[in-house]
Amino acid sequence: DGGITQSPKYLFRKEGQNVTLSCEQNLNHDAMYWYRQDPGQGLRLIYYSQIVNDFQKGDIAEGYSVSREKKESFPLTVTSAQKNPTAFYLCASSIGEYNSPLHFGNGTRLTVT
Amino acid sequence: QKEVEQDPGPLSVPEGAIVSLNCTYSNSAFQYFMWYRQYSRKGPELLMYTYSSGNKEDGRFTAQVDKSSKYISLFIRDSQPSDSATYLCAMSEDFNKFYFGSGTKLNVKP
Repeated sequence: DGGITQSPKYLFRKEGQNVTLSCEQNLNHDAMYWYRQDPGQGLRLIYYSQIVNDFQKGDIAEGYSVSREKKESFPLTVTSAQKNPTAFYLCASSIGEYNSPLHFGNGTRLTVT
Repeated sequence: QKEVEQDPGPLSVPEGAIVSLNCTYSNSAFQYFMWYRQYSRKGPELLMYTYSSGNKEDGRFTAQVDKSSKYISLFIRDSQPSDSATYLCAMSEDFNKFYFGSGTKLNVKP
């Protein structure tokens, strides 16, 4: 079954700790994205990658980092520099070509206390 | 001004009703328009996407785009309790960067 797998579903961390969220896809999609979702707000783009070993900052990249060493994987690290990290994080992918909408994973709920 | 505006609701309707969900946008360069359904604590699921103006139908769902008014709609016919979810609209110029509405919460009562 093709899809996007995010793990874990729930994650709890203490303030000051870095944490890495996993995102794996077996759709053979070139492009991958990380969004943050907060209540009452639209999805906000953190980082995206159109191709392996290349990625670009989105609208709210401060306090986050990513890597894209494999086509299938796009992990997101939430660093201690992120001022308000508690949120629902969504990973998405697309073929990366014309006429290609986003497909999402089921998200990771991160709570930092 | 936000790129995409969407009424957050909640919208509550009886089972069997026709539901109309809407978004407005400010960027006339948007060409691709998408609707996603998101159940609680889940990721958004792509329902439909359309290119430019016009209508597209898929089962009980119809997506409508009016580029002259910068207004898009999603109609759900014969709504079911299983349609209860948050509906997100999304738009793009070129499928490179996507702009999302904040979502409308729909509750279909049995």
